[in-house]
Amino acid sequence: EVQLLESGGGLVQPGGSLRLSCAASAFTFSNYAMGWVRQAPGEGLEWVSSIVGRGGGIYYADSVKGRFTISRDNSKNTLYLQMNSLRGEDTAVYYCAKVGFSSNWSFDYWGQGTLVTVSS
Amino acid sequence: DIQMTQSPSSVSASVGDRVTITCRASQGISIWLAWYQQKPGKAPKLLIYAASSLQSGVPSRFSGSGSGTDFTLTISSLQPDDSATYYCQQANTFPITFGQGTRLEIK
Repeated sequence: EVQLLESGGGLVQPGGSLRLSCAASAFTFSNYAMGWVRQAPGEGLEWVSSIVGRGGGIYYADSVKGRFTISRDNSKNTLYLQMNSLRGEDTAVYYCAKVGFSSNWSFDYWGQGTLVTVSS
Repeated sequence: DIQMTQSPSSVSASVGDRVTITCRASQGISIWLAWYQQKPGKAPKLLIYAASSLQSGVPSRFSGSGSGTDFTLTISSLQPDDSATYYCQQANTFPITFGQGTRLEIK
């Protein structure tokens, strides 16, 4: 069974940084694109960033471009999201998600989410 | 950016009813549309990808149709477990965008 386990969320002050991790298992991680999607409290889903399986292909939402960096370590089956210059509007549950095969950029498996709270 | 507009925003229906949710894209996205179900406090679950392909393990009462700009999610016979919020997502062009969600309530 595919599993995605996020970690690294928590409370951070405005302007601060956090690094989220997503440990993947039960599939060949390097073969699949991955992404981060967030959901502010009581709100809908917002795509944050995506990365292809190997070599290049990184995409960001305008709302996080220049502040967030997505990366992956295929040797560790782990996806990361480095978040800098955090703002109150970044407060959300952050989900790690696997891109499905033959589905372009839709997400077939999701982690349970990790909460990021930006507040002083 | 491609805007995704879902309707209705909320719907209330009875067990056994046929329910239809629509999603309209602000520009053509071919077949690259997905539907997700999300229950409170849980991660979204993929129901339909590529507009009409049923994700493995999803009950056959769920179906999707459409291409270009207009898409539909249909639940053929509503079950109590279907109470949730449903989102469409365009998977054609970056930035990826989601609809605002449709809350489905069981009467």
